[in-house]
Amino acid sequence: AQKVTQAQTEISVVEKEDVTLDCVYETRDTTYYLFWYKQPPSGELVFLIRRNSFDEQNEISGRYSWNFQKSTSSFNFTITASQVVDSAVYFCALSEAGEGSSNTGKLIFGQGTTLQVKP
Amino acid sequence: DSGVTQTPKHLITATGQRVTLRCSPRSGDLSVYWYQQSLDQGLQFLIQYYNGEERAKGNILERFSAQQFPDLHSELNLSSLELGDSALYFCASSVRGDDGGYTFGSGTRLTVV
Repeated sequence: AQKVTQAQTEISVVEKEDVTLDCVYETRDTTYYLFWYKQPPSGELVFLIRRNSFDEQNEISGRYSWNFQKSTSSFNFTITASQVVDSAVYFCALSEAGEGSSNTGKLIFGQGTTLQVKP
Repeated sequence: DSGVTQTPKHLITATGQRVTLRCSPRSGDLSVYWYQQSLDQGLQFLIQYYNGEERAKGNILERFSAQQFPDLHSELNLSSLELGDSALYFCASSVRGDDGGYTFGSGTRLTVV
């Protein structure tokens, strides 16, 4: 069965600190997608990144970076020089991918990590 | 604006009642997903429709039902509501419906009193 674990329930940092949010996943599929979503206090789910299981290159987008390691089934998310506006709940998610009627694209979410960035 | 429209944004109703949540997918998207976010269960997949047909079912209660209409909008019907049904209900849509690459609406917050 597919499973996503975000062991950190809450993290509190001071502005300008770097912070890494951990995500560990389980799946028997060889083809899958991994995601990160941000949920600010306003409640909407904001898409941050999607990564295919065949692409293990790390990605950087501004202050955000993602480290995908298939060997350890991890897809960690780092925010560099955190800001108060980064305060939110962050979700890691997993979905099946590829061809086939059994692949529905449904997301399995982790429990989320609440990040508080203090000024 | 994500392009996925959910109405209403907030809903307060009493136990035992029935409500309907509505979702209009992004233009061109054929697949609609419903998710429930509650404090104790987190974000859980409920059901998926693709071009009018049910494609996958998750942890959806028998008191809940959904459908996707010919114009591709979808409705989630919740009946015999209980206090535990209080949650944020998200709709999402995608073009293909098989790779998780979809856009979420802003959600409907349901409060059952």
